[in-house]
Amino acid sequence: EIVLTQSPATLSLSPGERATLSCRASQSVSGHLGWYQQKPGQAPRLLIYDASRRATGIPARFSGSGSGTDFTLTISSLEPEDFAVYYCQHRGNWPPAWTFGQGTKVEIK
Amino acid sequence: QLQLRESGPGLVKPSETLSLTCTVSGDPISSSSFFWGWVRQSPGKGLEWIGSFHYTGSTYYSPSLKNRVTISPATSTNQFSLKVTSVTAADTAVYYCARDNSGIGVMDYWGPGTLVTVSS
Repeated sequence: EIVLTQSPATLSLSPGERATLSCRASQSVSGHLGWYQQKPGQAPRLLIYDASRRATGIPARFSGSGSGTDFTLTISSLEPEDFAVYYCQHRGNWPPAWTFGQGTKVEIK
Repeated sequence: QLQLRESGPGLVKPSETLSLTCTVSGDPISSSSFFWGWVRQSPGKGLEWIGSFHYTGSTYYSPSLKNRVTISPATSTNQFSLKVTSVTAADTAVYYCARDNSGIGVMDYWGPGTLVTVSS
């Protein structure tokens, strides 16, 4: 079973700053990794798939990178609406099993 | 536009069975391109995958829940259901249904979620 570990647990930043979130897998997941944003009282929203591809309608300030076991979500310049919790996720090939990281909260400093 | 919506009782007694339905509009759940599944989130906690199915009839469950969980599709009504037996307070959570785009392995559409509280 693959375990995804996100760091840091909390990131305190100001609007306009750059946010760098990490997701580490316990074994290689190739490039099949996604990132989600979740705001209070809302369902998660897909941001990134295949480690680096932005989902439809996602602003260019969100970018993903990495392969193998180490992945990064970068928000180049934080907007007020970006303060939220972010999760990474992987679906194993066989049998299919969906795994989420424990989340990183990006809060206003 | 694809939409998913969860429905079911918001309160379930301990030891009873939790039953939820996800109604899908805008795409048939019989499509070969997708998995359909359930994810839950306990209050203040992270996301936990419960289980998913593919139209071929294959169903997959989280190892930690598989002994208590059943997911069943109903293609005639374009719905799928979740049953969790012998619930305890630990099953109190917001339950989401979601679509996984099987080609890329991510959940690209989600329902708004429904809170289920386990309490006597």
